[in-house]
Amino acid sequence: EAQVTQNPRYLITVTGKKLTVTCSQNMNHEYMSWYRQDPGLGLRQIYYSMNVEVTDKGDVPEGYKVSRKEKRNFPLILESPSPNQTSLYFCASRYSTDTQYFGPGTRLTVL
Amino acid sequence: GQNIDQPTEMTATEGAIVQINCTYQTSGFNGLFWYQQHAGEAPTFLSYNVLDGLEEKGRFSSFLSRSKGYSYLLLKELQMKDSASYLCAVRDRNNFNKFYFGSGTKLNVKP
Repeated sequence: EAQVTQNPRYLITVTGKKLTVTCSQNMNHEYMSWYRQDPGLGLRQIYYSMNVEVTDKGDVPEGYKVSRKEKRNFPLILESPSPNQTSLYFCASRYSTDTQYFGPGTRLTVL
Repeated sequence: GQNIDQPTEMTATEGAIVQINCTYQTSGFNGLFWYQQHAGEAPTFLSYNVLDGLEEKGRFSSFLSRSKGYSYLLLKELQMKDSASYLCAVRDRNNFNKFYFGSGTKLNVKP
């Protein structure tokens, strides 16, 4: 089954404790993105990747890092999480067509 | 960036027709997308418009006017399962990998 998976689905952590949210897709898509979704603000793009080893900043990259060492994986790294990064995070992938396929989401709470 | 406006919430009756509007800045535009998002779930792709006019897909249609910076999503023969948020998104004119989302319109379908 074609899908985008994310782990963990839920995470509660404390300020400053480094964490990684994994994202994997099995569709051989070149393009992948990370978004955060906050009430009243909609989805905002954090980072995106055009292919292996090629990444760039979206609208709200501060406080986040990404890497793309393999085509299928695109982890999101929070080196020192802060409470304002409490949010619902979505990973998405697409081929050269325009449709984005979203993962199930990761609900992160930073205390 | 982009400033994308959608109504926050709408209510409609089962079996009726509802139109959800979306406005955006005309500069920097390269394609408009509609996604459906049920509560607690990932967004799923509904439609894509890059040229003016109406795109029909079953009970759902999407319209675009590039000169007016305006789109709408038309849902016919509403069903209870159409209760969801509908997200309007615009792709950046200069960067095909950057997407800007509106905050979404929550549609409540009542019996």
